[in-house]
Amino acid sequence: GQNIDQPTEMTATEGAIVQINCTYQTSGFNGLFWYQQHAGEAPTFLSYNVLDGLEEKGRFSSFLSRSKGYSYLLLKELQMKDSASYLCAVTDSNYQLIWGAGTKLIIKP
Amino acid sequence: GAVVSQHPSWVICKSGTSVKIECRSLDFQATTMFWYRQFPKQSLMLMATSNEGSKATYEQGVEKDKFLINHASLTLSTLTVTSAHPEDSSFYICSAKEAGEIDTQYFGPGTRLTVL
Repeated sequence: GQNIDQPTEMTATEGAIVQINCTYQTSGFNGLFWYQQHAGEAPTFLSYNVLDGLEEKGRFSSFLSRSKGYSYLLLKELQMKDSASYLCAVTDSNYQLIWGAGTKLIIKP
Repeated sequence: GAVVSQHPSWVICKSGTSVKIECRSLDFQATTMFWYRQFPKQSLMLMATSNEGSKATYEQGVEKDKFLINHASLTLSTLTVTSAHPEDSSFYICSAKEAGEIDTQYFGPGTRLTVL
């Protein structure tokens, strides 16, 4: 079957760095997405990785290793507004998007 | 760019009535739109995929006669919840894929449906 694993919840301190991991087992791979979702709101697109390596976008970076079926989202200089759920999603060989359950990130002052 | 709107943003209705939710891509053409449902503290659940001009493809367990989807143009898809019941109360979110773009989905703000 197809499976995406992320930690359910993480806690970090304002100003610090946090890494949210995502591992996947899917039938084929055509890209991995990270989305941010604040409570009661729809997800917003953060990043897309299709090749191995690190993609940096301001305070957020996303890393992919296709051979390991592994990605992480790195958030630097954490702000209180970064408190949200972070969803990992993978596009399989049929271009179907498979969603992880999301990681709830709690930022403490 | 890549803005998706939904209307209404919230709706309260009586059990047995039908509710229509609109999803529009405002600044791009969306050949494919997706409808998701999300219950509190749970992840997104894909309900159906709709391609402009053709019938929607429903996920297993989603009743196509209850959740009617129409994608009549490249910028508009509608979801109609027919004969709504309290268990249909949920957060309904649409997303759209831009024509020519491989995979990135852009989400609408969501519609919160409460059935009394």
